[in-house]
Amino acid sequence: QSALTQPASVSGSPGQSITISCTGTSSDVGSYDLVSWYQQHPGKAPKLMIYEGSKRPSGVSNRFSGSKSGNTASLTISGLQAEDEADYYCCSYAGSYVFGTGTKVTVL
Amino acid sequence: EVQLVESGGRLVQPRGSLRLSCAASGFTVSNNYMSWVRQAPGKGLEWVTSIHSSGSTSYADSVKGRFTIARDNSKNTLYLQMNSLRGEDTAMYYCARDRPLTFWGQGTLVTVSS
Repeated sequence: QSALTQPASVSGSPGQSITISCTGTSSDVGSYDLVSWYQQHPGKAPKLMIYEGSKRPSGVSNRFSGSKSGNTASLTISGLQAEDEADYYCCSYAGSYVFGTGTKVTVL
Repeated sequence: EVQLVESGGRLVQPRGSLRLSCAASGFTVSNNYMSWVRQAPGKGLEWVTSIHSSGSTSYADSVKGRFTIARDNSKNTLYLQMNSLRGEDTAMYYCARDRPLTFWGQGTLVTVSS
């Protein structure tokens, strides 16, 4: 399976909202509500932020939200904060995992 | 508290072999869906392999036939046996629990180079 497509970078000012897209196909993102999103700070392990498209694990800020339309999933970060600056990866599960290409979020 | 600690990563020559370990605490490895995910230096995440609680396994095409995932119930440890290593296998290797990948270890670095 090919990697899911994400923008290489997204930036925003503190307090703003940003959205990261994740485009797959009808065989992965479009077929199942099993998209997850991971945040990774430099030198650290990834952290689960969103699962099953829009659900937040315990302890994850409600500033993070997920959605899906067709073959494209999206992660929105509202009220952007300096600590949100990190790499973000989407991931779809369809018998096996396929990750997105990754997006670097910069807080201006 | 759930904890995953990987070990075994080191410098290895091309065509060599290596076994990575992922010691778990706070839960039972054999009762959970476990995976290995890797990340080449400066690159994105790549799923490598998973093992279901039933014992069924799945592998990425890039490692099929070369890597084997296994677990030792007595040691509550997950393993990744890597054979016929190539330069493109150079990466940080993470073990992770659940589907989705909820808990992650800190990773162990594998470098394949002569």
